[in-house]
Amino acid sequence: GAGVSQSPSNKVTEKGKDVELRCDPISGHTALYWYRQRLGQGLEFLIYFQGNSAPDKSGLPSDRFSAERTGESVSTLTIQRTQQEDSAVYLCASSVDGGPNEKLFFGSGTQLSVL
Amino acid sequence: QKEVEQDPGPLSVPEGAIVSLNCTYSNSAFQYFMWYRQYSRKGPELLMYTYSSGNKEDGRFTAQVDKSSKYISLFIRDSQPSDSATYLCAMSGPTGFQKLVFGTGTRLLVSP
Repeated sequence: GAGVSQSPSNKVTEKGKDVELRCDPISGHTALYWYRQRLGQGLEFLIYFQGNSAPDKSGLPSDRFSAERTGESVSTLTIQRTQQEDSAVYLCASSVDGGPNEKLFFGSGTQLSVL
Repeated sequence: QKEVEQDPGPLSVPEGAIVSLNCTYSNSAFQYFMWYRQYSRKGPELLMYTYSSGNKEDGRFTAQVDKSSKYISLFIRDSQPSDSATYLCAMSGPTGFQKLVFGTGTRLLVSP
């Protein structure tokens, strides 16, 4: 595709519900990243995929958060038993091969609101 | 204390002004220094990056890194209303772009 695509663009859920956020990276990009942007705070690294493997998931804030990637393409970030502090914009990015100088291309994000 | 500190602004300037945006950091292991621009409801877009210390210029934009002071700057010359956005600094260690630490962003408003 032309860019990184994320869906849904907005998600409102009730506390305690599970949510799934989807990311379609740029075609051919092997590296994929998830970041979280809470109001008034900088982007926080969550997880990095190289292919379908996650060599670094150190940023996942708790075991309620999980992510997977299949076919070296689509990735899903799942948040179980959502809490109000999970409200944020969840951003996905991809790069060609995850090398140290490889530019990240970000999607427009999913705005998650937990009521 | 946050690893990266950035004044959230907003910073309001008239069109044509020179803009100076800054970040300080505490982690001496940072080697890659980047500036991203983020328009409302969009993802960040990389403007410039510098490896280690020094200056880098790209059109109206100049990035400076002073590792001795743990201080980085982005200068925008001849600012335009289209430059109005949030500017995020980001940094990383040897892994480069794989794992970035971001500042909170500075909101810039350029008035015609």
